[in-house]
Amino acid sequence: AAGVIQSPRHLIKEKRETATLKCYPIPRHDTVYWYQQGPGQDPQFLISFYEKMQSDKGSIPDRFSAQQFSDYHSELNMSSLELGDSALYFCASSLGLTGNQPQHFGDGTRLSIL
Amino acid sequence: QKEVEQNSGPLSVPEGAIASLNCTYSDRGSQSFFWYRQYSGKSPELIMFIYSNGDKEDGRFTAQLNKASQYVSLLIRDSQPSDSATYLCAVNGANNLFFGTGTRLTVIP
Repeated sequence: AAGVIQSPRHLIKEKRETATLKCYPIPRHDTVYWYQQGPGQDPQFLISFYEKMQSDKGSIPDRFSAQQFSDYHSELNMSSLELGDSALYFCASSLGLTGNQPQHFGDGTRLSIL
Repeated sequence: QKEVEQNSGPLSVPEGAIASLNCTYSDRGSQSFFWYRQYSGKSPELIMFIYSNGDKEDGRFTAQLNKASQYVSLLIRDSQPSDSATYLCAVNGANNLFFGTGTRLTVIP
């Protein structure tokens, strides 16, 4: 079965640079979530989209923005990168907006800031 | 206070034993509860979800929910070394999931 596809898998940037992470949800899933996971920490919710509209916002810095496109894929844009942004970034997708639906995670993007 | 609490472990059990993982949550209005397994450096993998009080079994896994006590658990029967991972408990928010910090399980051959 098709899963959530994230790209790139690894990304190395320097401080103050920008980065764009992409997420392609499971076919027919209309809701996308972004999470940040630091070493030894649990995933922290950043932002979610349902039917191309932002549905909820968590601990996403103002330097980050995201959107969901007409084909339901989503992009997380990160600017003025800081050392503390080094983490695993996961995208998850679900069918429907309610929190009752299981979320399925992609393999993640490992972002390293030098 | 964190929304979802788990013992961080590590929890060690011998191969073939039952591993018991526990989780409590603070929002009494929570309706959906999920267990994810995460290997180091990999993505969380959904293994169980439960909505109603009681037990739900799937193969070697049993999820137990007690909403009155705000408690959810995961039992793994006949534990295998391949079950060694971090197990994340997650509880639904309005439009997202709140995760616990995870319990690291080691199954000793």
